[in-house]
Amino acid sequence: AQSVSQHNHHVILSEAASLELGCNYSYGGTVNLFWYVQYPGQHLQLLLKYFSGDPLVKGIKGFEAEFIKSKFSFNLRKPSVQWSDTAEYFCAVKNTDKLIFGTGTRLQVFP
Amino acid sequence: DTAVSQTPKYLVTQMGNDKSIKCEQNLGHDTMYWYKQDSKKFLKIMFSYNNKELIINETVPNRFSPKSPDKAHLNLHINSLELGDSAVYFCASSPDFNEQFFGPGTRLTVL
Repeated sequence: AQSVSQHNHHVILSEAASLELGCNYSYGGTVNLFWYVQYPGQHLQLLLKYFSGDPLVKGIKGFEAEFIKSKFSFNLRKPSVQWSDTAEYFCAVKNTDKLIFGTGTRLQVFP
Repeated sequence: DTAVSQTPKYLVTQMGNDKSIKCEQNLGHDTMYWYKQDSKKFLKIMFSYNNKELIINETVPNRFSPKSPDKAHLNLHINSLELGDSAVYFCASSPDFNEQFFGPGTRLTVL
């Protein structure tokens, strides 16, 4: 069965630091990949998605992710985080008719 | 204006009670989902409906019964509530089994 791993469970950064959150998936075929963000007390919102084409995907709020097929990875990056980026981040992969979510990474950004 | 809405936002009830959560989407999507997010933020799919037909039922106890009166609504009824049912329940919709649009969540607390 397809699975998604997010190895960073909790990341603490200072403002202006660079961010990279890891995401690895298990399926070797064609994949559709997503990053969602959940701000405290809110619902999940889509940050970015990859279906095909350019493996470097740009999303909202300055986030980007790179799809590396050989590594089964879709890591999320941001060059300079802000306090407002404090949230839970979820990687997900499409599996036929549903999304499989990773366990999430909690990001805390301190001023 | 709200794309995916859920009611109620908070639900506090005693063990053994029966309760319902309602979900409505005005995006014209054919597919709707229910997810359960536990205290560790793990997000797990419970059910999916496509055009009022059940297409995913992820080994959820039969105390949980989804109902879709039309493709814009997907309600969740829970019988004989247990302590372990305490969680945040998210409704979502999708036009194509890819990107999903989430509701604001219903925080259920069973005492």
